[in-house]
Amino acid sequence: GNSVTQMEGPVTLSEEAFLTINCTYTATGYPSLFWYVQYPGEGLQLLLKATKADDKGSNKGFEATYRKETTSFHLEKGSVQVSDSAVYFCALMSGGGADGLTFGKGTHLIIQP
Amino acid sequence: SAVISQKPSRDICQRGTSLTIQCQVDSQVTMMFWYRQQPGQSLTLIATANQGSEATYESGFVIDKFPISRPNLTFSTLTVSNMSPEDSSIYLCSAVDWEETQYFGPGTRLLVL
Repeated sequence: GNSVTQMEGPVTLSEEAFLTINCTYTATGYPSLFWYVQYPGEGLQLLLKATKADDKGSNKGFEATYRKETTSFHLEKGSVQVSDSAVYFCALMSGGGADGLTFGKGTHLIIQP
Repeated sequence: SAVISQKPSRDICQRGTSLTIQCQVDSQVTMMFWYRQQPGQSLTLIATANQGSEATYESGFVIDKFPISRPNLTFSTLTVSNMSPEDSSIYLCSAVDWEETQYFGPGTRLLVL
């Protein structure tokens, strides 16, 4: 079956630091990959996505590249801000969306001023 | 993209009662799903809401406990039946658009006393 593994948190960084949150996956076929963000007290927002190997998703300064050879989709940002503090979920979708999303456990990111 | 609304946004219920959560999408979508997010946890897929037919449930979830309807392409309901404190959770509706991207509603925060 499908599974997603992401680094455990919390991850605490200082403002303007470089961020990497690791995500690896196991899936049959060719899944689409996503990063969602959940701010305190809010629902999930789509941050970025990639639908095929070597695609790079980007949004709000965040980037992630679909690496089929390493089955990874690591999230990066060059300079984090306090407002980036949130829980980040890596997820995959296979079967054209018919099977729902498989989520990682989430990584709580804390940015200190 | 799809914008999803849910009602109610939160509720406090007595054990043994039932609560129906409504989910409305602002555009026609292909798939709709219901997830549960227990406190501090990741999301778990409850079921796929199928238009005009019975929902497809994931392992560990049954129709008697979580009856689901989807009468048209943009609307679905989830009922949490005969509630117990273990059902306290956030329930999220999601929908997949024609670009196979999944969007989430803001969630319904349920507390069962």
